[in-house]
Amino acid sequence: SQQGEEDPQALSIQEGENATMNCSYKTSINNLQWYRQNSGRGLVHLILIRSNEREKHSGRLRVTLDTSKKSSSLLITASRAADTASYFCATDPNSGNTPLVFGKGTRLSVIA
Amino acid sequence: GAVVSQHPSRVICKSGTSVKIECRSLDFQATTMFWYRQFPKQSLMLMATSNEGSKATYEQGVEKDKFLINHASLTLSTLTVTSAHPEDSSFYICSARRRGDEQYFGPGTRLTVT
Repeated sequence: SQQGEEDPQALSIQEGENATMNCSYKTSINNLQWYRQNSGRGLVHLILIRSNEREKHSGRLRVTLDTSKKSSSLLITASRAADTASYFCATDPNSGNTPLVFGKGTRLSVIA
Repeated sequence: GAVVSQHPSRVICKSGTSVKIECRSLDFQATTMFWYRQFPKQSLMLMATSNEGSKATYEQGVEKDKFLINHASLTLSTLTVTSAHPEDSSFYICSARRRGDEQYFGPGTRLTVT
């Protein structure tokens, strides 16, 4: 089963603009992770934010987490054509042997 | 970081045949591995949880007799798609988890059933 929704489902922006993707989930979590997937390829882990964290940065990526609203956002600043990919959030219910549960994803297109 | 491999990366088979996909954790022991399936332009859906030395746990709607999972060692889980049909064509991704650590994903296997 899937944990929640991401919006938008698809996003098209010009190179240099910022891209914001949102993720909502349903149950309590230990952490939330964001992944990128280029078409037909495997997953690339981008960033992990723990339930006691509110914001995290990694290069051009900024992730926020609001556990009261059960939502997270991924911001990509100064986007590049190479950022074109699908982006998924995945929730981790706890630190035991449980699987990640993926959202439906956002397809980002960055136009040069 | 930990590495998980999958083999093969791509496979094309004829309808009615069986295909085996291997998932290996290369530098750590994984008591639990997970198998996901991803159809085009969709997200990853968990198929089953593979436990070393015991039976796999399947998600609702996944046929255990069709998708055979064997986790014979702490570093290897296999998924066998039996009597494959075109609707089984998909991207299959495994992951392995060290207790208390992140989940590490394999590169995926593209299965095409003709």
